[in-house]
Amino acid sequence: GDSVTQMEGPVTLSEEAFLTINCTYTATGYPSLFWYVQYPGEGLQLLLKATKADDKGSNKGFEATYRKETTSFHLEKGSVQVSDSAVYFCALRLQGGSEKLVFGKGTKLTVNP
Amino acid sequence: GAGVSQSPSNKVTEKGKDVELRCDPISGHTALYWYRQRLGQGLEFLIYFQGNSAPDKSGLPSDRFSAERTGESVSTLTIQRTQQEDSAVYLCASSVTSPETQYFGPGTRLLVL
Repeated sequence: GDSVTQMEGPVTLSEEAFLTINCTYTATGYPSLFWYVQYPGEGLQLLLKATKADDKGSNKGFEATYRKETTSFHLEKGSVQVSDSAVYFCALRLQGGSEKLVFGKGTKLTVNP
Repeated sequence: GAGVSQSPSNKVTEKGKDVELRCDPISGHTALYWYRQRLGQGLEFLIYFQGNSAPDKSGLPSDRFSAERTGESVSTLTIQRTQQEDSAVYLCASSVTSPETQYFGPGTRLLVL
């Protein structure tokens, strides 16, 4: 079945460090890919998305590129801030099929000053 | 504007009791989704509403789980004869129309003793 695998956490970085959170997927068809973020005490928010191969989603300094050949959608940020501390979820949605989102387990990021 | 709201925010119940969880979607959003997040797990899809019909209820784990929606408004998720494995955070999301971006509520944390 369709699934998303993302790197296990937690991840702890110092401010201004480079961030990569790996995400790979298994899907039949051509999914749309998403990164959602959950800040402490808040609900899930869409961070960025990409709907077709080679698309790059970006928001708040975060980027992820839809790589069909490696079935990946890794999240990157060049210089993290303390305010980026949150849980990050990778997700997919199949196009033309069920409208549900399939999520990875989440990666908790802590950024220290 | 107002986001997706859910009530109660926390619910503690005894095994075997029934519980009702409520979701108020963003006004005008025709699509509504329920997800479940168990501790240390990703979000699991439960059911999807378009208007007041449910074209995909494939994620409901057993016949103890049911959901309904009144028009394009409030939805309730009912769990009958709760079991300890039902303990989780239940999240609701809505979108203008599927498959647009889903906006999530803060969740209801359910603990079954």
